[in-house]
Amino acid sequence: AQTVTQSQPEMSVQEAETVTLSCTYDTSESNYYLFWYKQPPSRQMILVIRQEAYKQQNATENRFSVNFQKAAKSFSLKISDSQLGDTAMYFCAFMTHYNTDKLIFGTGTRLQVFP
Amino acid sequence: KAGVTQTPRYLIKTRGQQVTLSCSPISGHRSVSWYQQTPGQGLQFLFEYFSETQRNKGNFPGRFSGRQFSNSRSEMNVSTLELGDSALYLCASSLGLAGETQYFGPGTRLLVL
Repeated sequence: AQTVTQSQPEMSVQEAETVTLSCTYDTSESNYYLFWYKQPPSRQMILVIRQEAYKQQNATENRFSVNFQKAAKSFSLKISDSQLGDTAMYFCAFMTHYNTDKLIFGTGTRLQVFP
Repeated sequence: KAGVTQTPRYLIKTRGQQVTLSCSPISGHRSVSWYQQTPGQGLQFLFEYFSETQRNKGNFPGRFSGRQFSNSRSEMNVSTLELGDSALYLCASSLGLAGETQYFGPGTRLLVL
């Protein structure tokens, strides 16, 4: 069975600084996809970034980037130039190639950005 | 394009009642997945429908059921409600192909008294 672990329940960062959220996963599959979703106080789940396991290059979306270490089964999210609007719960999620549309989520990291 | 919509946004029910939640996917999306979010259990997958067929199912009792219509809209039904069913129910839609990103609706918050 696949599992996703987020070991940091809460983190805080000052505005304009950089923060890294950790995520590890366990799977015997070789073909899968990884996601980071953000859930602000409105509870709307918003996609931040995605990574295909077969791609060696780390995904980047503006201020958000990942460090994908396939051998270590690690998928961390780096937020640069943090903004107050980044305050939210961040969930790491995993999906296999063959179990399409079934996301397995970690327990989340609550990120607080301070002015 | 309009996003995923869910109705109603809030519901209060009593134990033993049943409830039906609705989800309209993004236009062109054929897959709808349902998730339950609680403080204790986190985000858990309920089931997924693609082209009116249940394609994937999580570990929930038979009281939780769903269906999908020909226009890809989906409904989720919970019968004989229990206090523990109080949760935020999220639906997500995608094109339904392998590895496609799921886009979430705003959720339905269900309170069972």
